Amino acid sequence: GAGVSQSPSNKVTEKGKDVELRCDPISGHTALYWYRQSLGQGLEFLIYFQGNSAPDKSGLPSDRFSAERTGGSVSTLTIQRTQQEDSAVYLCASSSLQEQYFGPGTRLTVT
Amino acid sequence: GENVEQHPSTLSVQEGDSAVIKCTYSDSASNYFPWYKQELGKRPQLIIDIRSNVGEKKDQRIAVTLNKTAKHFSLHITETQPEDSAVYFCAASRASGGSNYKLTFGKGTLLTVNP
Repeated sequence: GAGVSQSPSNKVTEKGKDVELRCDPISGHTALYWYRQSLGQGLEFLIYFQGNSAPDKSGLPSDRFSAERTGGSVSTLTIQRTQQEDSAVYLCASSSLQEQYFGPGTRLTVT
Repeated sequence: GENVEQHPSTLSVQEGDSAVIKCTYSDSASNYFPWYKQELGKRPQLIIDIRSNVGEKKDQRIAVTLNKTAKHFSLHITETQPEDSAVYFCAASRASGGSNYKLTFGKGTLLTVNP
């Protein structure tokens, strides 16, 4: 079946612009996660959605970052007023039990 | 919250040798410990996991051991091959009643297998 998909695969934006990154999880997966991975670095947790519960936003680095998950499926991560330090690969993952399945990521470059 | 430490950050071995990567965790309530492999430019993929009710699990050339008392777990790769070269991440989480919980990842180990 289809895995986790993300779009766009690459995004180049100018400093100060807003960007939206999309994640389509595996159908039926109740949990969805966003991570950030800077070049050569680990997986930095950003936000976690579980069913209809309030999302765990404890990893969002600033109030410029927000995310929503509509209808328990597709999720959008929004970064407002992008800064150069926001440049990274943004990975989405979904799970039905404990194993997380990752998407291919969106590479964001802020110039 | 949970904190996961992973060592070493880089590991270089000769083809055919064994590789061991170690992680420690802080939350004694953690009960699920997966390992992910990320090849260059690819997404992380689960290679093996262990739950707190067992001490060891093997899958062909890879094995994971868990010491709950000491709160550490390790990944063992035997007879390493060049295609094992990748970044390996350990993680920990706790879950109950079938619910999902977020994973806390270690910072990763870059494994290089030299032919």
